[in-house]
Formats: sequence, C-alpha cells, structure tokens
Amino acid sequence: NAGVTQTPKFQVLKTGQSMTLQCAQDMNHEYMSWYRQDPGMGLRLIHYSVGAGITDQGEVPNGYNVSRSTTEDFPLRLLSAAPSQTSVYFCASRLTGTDSNQPQHFGDGTRLSIL
Amino acid sequence: AQSVTQLDSQVPVFEEAPVELRCNYSSSVSVYLFWYVQYPNQGLQLLLKYLSGSTLVKGINGFEAEFNKSQTSFHLRKPSVHISDTAEYFCAVLKWGAQKLVFGQGTRLTINP
Repeated sequence: NAGVTQTPKFQVLKTGQSMTLQCAQDMNHEYMSWYRQDPGMGLRLIHYSVGAGITDQGEVPNGYNVSRSTTEDFPLRLLSAAPSQTSVYFCASRLTGTDSNQPQHFGDGTRLSIL
Repeated sequence: AQSVTQLDSQVPVFEEAPVELRCNYSSSVSVYLFWYVQYPNQGLQLLLKYLSGSTLVKGINGFEAEFNKSQTSFHLRKPSVHISDTAEYFCAVLKWGAQKLVFGQGTRLTINP
C-alpha cells in the first residue's frame, strides 16, 4: 500500500521561482489537505479539498494555489516563492462525509528551502 | 473557533520513567481529539483518538490519554518510556461536523538513557 506519496522530498528554490509540490493517494479518500510545519508552530493548514473539483482555504493560504481535478491528486503550487515559504510541507488525506472523525494519513513531507 | 495548546514545547525524561504530555483545547462545541506522533524525518502517524464513550483511550506503543471535559484537556501518558519513543507529539482537535483539523504546537519528547 503506497498511502500518501509526496514528491519531491527536498527542493531548493530561488526567490521568485515557481514550483508544484505533488501529492497522490491511492486510498480513494475524498478529503485531502496541505499543511506547513514550522518550528514552534505545529502544523498549519494551507488549503484543503473535500472532493474532486472542490477546494477551500485553510489558515495560511496566501502565496499558494491548489486544484483537485481527480480524487487521487492534490498538487500545491507556489507561484512566486518567498523566503517565508521555507518550511516542511505535508499532504494528508482521509475519508470524509459522516466519517469526518477518521484519522488523517500523512505523506513523508517535502522539505523546501527558498534562498 | 477551536484552538489547541500544548503546554510544553520540550519534555526530557529518563528511560523507563513515566511521562505526561499536556494538551488543552478551547471550543464552544463538542470535539473529537487526536494525538499524532512524528518520528525524525517522517510524516505524522495516529497514536490514539477520542471520539465518544470512555474518557480513557488507549493507543499504540503503550500510550494512553484521558479526556477531561470539565478541564478541556486531553493529556497523553505512558507509564514507562523507551528510547524509541523519542519523537515529536502533536495534539489535534476536530469540531463535530467540521472538516478542518487544528493542531497544537507540538511537544518534543527526548528520552535520556
């Protein structure tokens, strides 16, 4: 079972560059989300999706875009990278609907540095 | 809106000693509560969860947590820790009927031999 797969694992960008962090899950989960993890701040929700074609903003959405064209994939785009976006990014998925209390499954993270 | 506070950013303990990691939450409505563990350079894994029923919840690796509604707490405990328990632990809250899981700041547990 692959679970939640994130690529790449590491990335270094220059300020102003754009890139897409990939996330895919093979568990047929409706709900997918992106978090960023920074020291002393826990995990903060960037964007989330409750199903294909539906996305919504989380706690810290500025500077990031998402789309959900399929159930399996939920890419996160940085349009113009800034040093403040240096972080570890986690994608997570779970069942939704009446099972909103189901635990989330996390990927292994993408470590992103913006110079 | 709900929020989660983990009262200790770091907890050092000796091997085989007991440990308690504290978590308090605030919410005006009923919530589900979770503890996740993150081992170095990995993603988060579910340790245990409280949905309803018995307030004492047992999880993996010998951990347990107690839901205290009056104190709005969900503290995590283990009677005897091992070196392999070295990790960061996150408390999280999900409001009933909501979709967004809110995490605490994390507690780094360090086990000394």
